[in-house]
Amino acid sequence: SQTIHQWPATLVQPVGSPLSLECTVEGTSNPNLYWYRQAAGRGLQLLFYSIGIDQISSEVPQNLSASRPQDRQFILSSKKLLLSDSGFYLCAWTQTGGLTEAFFGQGTRLTVV
Amino acid sequence: AQKITQTQPGMFVQEKEAVTLDCTYDTSDPSYGLFWYKQPSSGEMIFLIYQGSYDQQNATEGRYSLNFQKARKSANLVISASQLGDSAMYFCAMREGGRFGNEKLTFGTGTRLTIIP
Repeated sequence: SQTIHQWPATLVQPVGSPLSLECTVEGTSNPNLYWYRQAAGRGLQLLFYSIGIDQISSEVPQNLSASRPQDRQFILSSKKLLLSDSGFYLCAWTQTGGLTEAFFGQGTRLTVV
Repeated sequence: AQKITQTQPGMFVQEKEAVTLDCTYDTSDPSYGLFWYKQPSSGEMIFLIYQGSYDQQNATEGRYSLNFQKARKSANLVISASQLGDSAMYFCAMREGGRFGNEKLTFGTGTRLTIIP
């Protein structure tokens, strides 16, 4: 069966510090991968999605970047965090070639102080 | 332009009553999928139900059903016999087509449902 792992679960970082959130998927190959951010009490904002290794699409220009060094690994990064980067970050995957549902990781609650 | 619109930021419903959560969508792609997710206070995203654009019948999963009106581009979620555990945020989402490089999954802003005992 397929599983998705996302870590860490919570993170408190000072302004100006770097960020690296990691997401890995098991039990499938060539998934579509997604990073979402959710501000407190708000909806999900699509940040990045990837249809393959080193194929990343950015939805919102911002302080963040994403990389996909391996087929089932998706990394969200920042060189210098801003206060506005605080939020709940969710990684998700879908199968390619079909309109199937997305499966989500448990999320990372990031607080920038 | 908004791809997915959820016009009810919050709803309060008496326990055991049915509730309808509204969702309208916008796409020019003839092939698309519509999804509903539940997000309890823990933050996890729980998949509830799926409707394909070519499906002739409305999707149902237990107490959940999707009222799919293609011409009106609406995909409302109906929860029958609501329970206290249904209190959560509910998100409508859409995945368009299968064209290469266009596999985005877009979410609405959500509806916070509160079930009153």
